Amino acid sequence: AQSVTQLGSHVSVSEGALVLLRCNYSSSVPPYLFWYVQYPNQGLQLLLKYTTGATLVKGINGFEAEFKKSETSFHLTKPSAHMSDAAEYFCAVTRGGADGLTFGKGTHLIIQP
Amino acid sequence: DAGVIQSPRHEVTEMGQEVTLRCKPISGHNSLFWYRQTMMRGLELLIYFNNNVPIDDSGMPEDRFSAKMPNASFSTLKIQPSEPRDSAVYFCASSFSLQGDYGYTFGSGTRLTVV
Repeated sequence: AQSVTQLGSHVSVSEGALVLLRCNYSSSVPPYLFWYVQYPNQGLQLLLKYTTGATLVKGINGFEAEFKKSETSFHLTKPSAHMSDAAEYFCAVTRGGADGLTFGKGTHLIIQP
Repeated sequence: DAGVIQSPRHEVTEMGQEVTLRCKPISGHNSLFWYRQTMMRGLELLIYFNNNVPIDDSGMPEDRFSAKMPNASFSTLKIQPSEPRDSAVYFCASSFSLQGDYGYTFGSGTRLTVV
């Protein structure tokens, strides 16, 4: 069984500051990891994913995440927050193949002007 | 590509009525997933199909829920009878489950309100 824990249901940062959203996973097999963003009243948009290869993954909108197997973590970062980054962020894991995604509870990112 | 298309976008129905949600996956994708999103429980996987065959329906909350995928381009999620606690946003997603390719694409969702 797999699970995802996102630390902090709400994270508030100032515009221009570093964004760090934490995600830890549990998986019995090598995981495939994802970050999705959801804007109000919209669907989920893929930010980035780790499947194999380089453990530092770059995504859209300046976000990146690093897969750390020893820490079972896949934290999302962005060097400089923008007001448009305010949204709900979800970390997800899958075993791969035809399996679905298991999501964390989400982190609401608030950007202070 | 138009992406994953869900209909309707919003549905308001009375308790006890039958509700049918529809999904058209991305052409060429061979896996389809139904999720439910609520404030209390977050995003839950209800059921998923591979090559039109249901693989795992362990997430379906009750027998009132059923899902079908009669062909590669269409799926339905039905609730009969509906109850107020079914109020949620229901998402459909599709992917091409080829080894190494895990591009799950989500639809815009159906917001269901049962009164």
